[in-house]
Amino acid sequence: AQSVTQPDIHITVSEGASLELRCNYSYGATPYLFWYVQSPGQGLQLLLKYFSGDTLVQGIKGFEAEFKRSQSSFNLRKPSVHWSDAAEYFCAVGFYNQGGKLIFGQGTELSVKP
Amino acid sequence: DVKVTQSSRYLVKRTGEKVFLECVQDMDHENMFWYRQDPGLGLRLIYFSYDVKMKEKGDIPEGYSVSREKKERFSLILESASTNQTSMYLCASSRPPGQNQPQHFGDGTRLSIL
Repeated sequence: AQSVTQPDIHITVSEGASLELRCNYSYGATPYLFWYVQSPGQGLQLLLKYFSGDTLVQGIKGFEAEFKRSQSSFNLRKPSVHWSDAAEYFCAVGFYNQGGKLIFGQGTELSVKP
Repeated sequence: DVKVTQSSRYLVKRTGEKVFLECVQDMDHENMFWYRQDPGLGLRLIYFSYDVKMKEKGDIPEGYSVSREKKERFSLILESASTNQTSMYLCASSRPPGQNQPQHFGDGTRLSIL
């Protein structure tokens, strides 16, 4: 079965430090990929998306992600974390033959130390 | 901006009640989705619809049904609510997958079944 794995359930970083959140997916077809962020009690906000083309994509709030087909990964990065980045982050993967359905990872909760 | 509106942010119901969760989108999107979100499990797809009066089961449809009588509205129905359906429910909408657009989410309904 198709699956998306975010290996880190909870990450704590210091404000100003760099961040990398990992995402791996299983399946052989060409995917399209997203990262979403969720603040407490809120819905999901799109951070960035990849459909095709340049494998390094830029998103909102200074985030970027790189699609590595050989590693089936789509890791999210930010060079300098701000306290307001504390939230839960979800990776999601879709496949063109799946009617628009997305498969979500379990989520990574990010805490930011002052 | 795309607006996906869920009728209630918080809802408390009793075991055995029939519960309706409503979702409306204002961008004429073809696809609409219902997810439930539980800690450590990410988002799991309950049902989705790619056209009026069309519906398809997602990964966890048991105990739920849906209705899509108009393009902009997608309703989730708990036929006889049970305590294990206490959860956060998220609605989303999107264009068909070939148009390279993300899913847009509502703010969620936190449902408690007593």
